[in-house]
Amino acid sequence: QKEVEQNSGPLSVPEGAIASLNCTYSDRGSQSFFWYRQYSGKSPELIMFIYSNGDKEDGRFTAQLNKASQYVSLLIRDSQPSDSATYLCAVENQAGTALIFGKGTTLSVSS
Amino acid sequence: EPEVTQTPSHQVTQMGQEVILRCVPISNHLYFYWYRQILGQKVEFLVSFYNNEISEKSEIFDDQFSVERPDGSNFTLKIRSTKLEDSAMYFCASSGQGSRNEQYFGPGTRLTVT
Repeated sequence: QKEVEQNSGPLSVPEGAIASLNCTYSDRGSQSFFWYRQYSGKSPELIMFIYSNGDKEDGRFTAQLNKASQYVSLLIRDSQPSDSATYLCAVENQAGTALIFGKGTTLSVSS
Repeated sequence: EPEVTQTPSHQVTQMGQEVILRCVPISNHLYFYWYRQILGQKVEFLVSFYNNEISEKSEIFDDQFSVERPDGSNFTLKIRSTKLEDSAMYFCASSGQGSRNEQYFGPGTRLTVT
């Protein structure tokens, strides 16, 4: 059974701080990795994807991938109260036909 | 910006009844998916669909479930003989040919089985 593991949190950070969210996965053959944001009662919203080892930056978000360690992370700089949500790590299966989700990390940003 | 749409937003049904959940994927997307999320749990893959056939299905997607693309715009999930444990949010997602991996989710249908 392919697994994606995340610390459920909650992760609490003050406004303006950096939030660091982590994810590990078990399928060494996975090639594509995604971060989704899910507000309570809403659907997952794609915010970042990364396919190559290293860092990928998009605005206040940076995704980091280390395939050797089977580790993906998301950094959120200058955290805002509106960033308070559950962040879902998703890993694509080897066939590219499905996403396997972690349970999500709940982030709370206090003003 | 194009969006995945789903209807209805909330469906209440009695145990044993059949339900059809409807989705309109993003218009130029070619890959379609259904996921479900039981309250408080993780998002779970059900099925993926491409070129009018199922690409992959999970263990959850048994004979009780079926999918169909009845026309050029709709993508449906049928659940036969619903059970209490089918109560969940059902999300449709789609992805494009050029960006196949990036799946965009609809707002979901909340299914309540009583």
